[in-house]
Amino acid sequence: GDSVTQMEGPVTLSEEAFLTINCTYTATGYPSLFWYVQYPGEGLQLLLKATKADDKGSNKGFEATYRKETTSFHLEKGSVQVSDSAVYFCALTLSGGYQKVTFGTGTKLQVIP
Amino acid sequence: NAGVTQTPKFQVLKTGQSMTLQCAQDMNHEYMSWYRQDPGMGLRLIHYSVGAGITDQGEVPNGYNVSRSTTEDFPLRLLSAAPSQTSVYFCASSEEGGRGGETQYFGPGTRLLVL
Repeated sequence: GDSVTQMEGPVTLSEEAFLTINCTYTATGYPSLFWYVQYPGEGLQLLLKATKADDKGSNKGFEATYRKETTSFHLEKGSVQVSDSAVYFCALTLSGGYQKVTFGTGTKLQVIP
Repeated sequence: NAGVTQTPKFQVLKTGQSMTLQCAQDMNHEYMSWYRQDPGMGLRLIHYSVGAGITDQGEVPNGYNVSRSTTEDFPLRLLSAAPSQTSVYFCASSEEGGRGGETQYFGPGTRLLVL
């Protein structure tokens, strides 16, 4: 079946450090890929997405590129801030009918001043 | 727009009690779903609905019932609560379900503790 694998957390970084959170997927078709972010005590919200191979999603300084050849969608940010502390979820959906969203297990990021 | 709203925010139940978690959205979305979030397991789909009057099971439906009488509301019912249902529950909606890149909009969650 379809699945999403994320790197284990928690990830602890100092402010202004470079961030990478790895995400790989397996899917039977051509998925759309997402990163959702969950701030403490809140629901998930979309951070960025990409709907086809080689697309780059970006938002709030975060970027991720849809790599079909490596089935990956790694999240990166050049300089993290304390306010980026949250749990990050990689996810996919498939087109062609009403398909559920498949989430990774989430990666907790803690940024320290 | 209020987006997706959920009530209550927190609930404590005793084993065997029943309750309904409420979810409403004001974006006229067709697709609504319920997830539970447990440590180390990400989000798992409980039930979903593709429109008023149509519901289906997700990957962990046992112990939960749903109905969808209106486009706006999608309540989740626990008929006889068990400690294994202690979790954080999220309701989500999207315009047309998982077709090619639709964004899911999540509510703030309901934290449930079953003693």
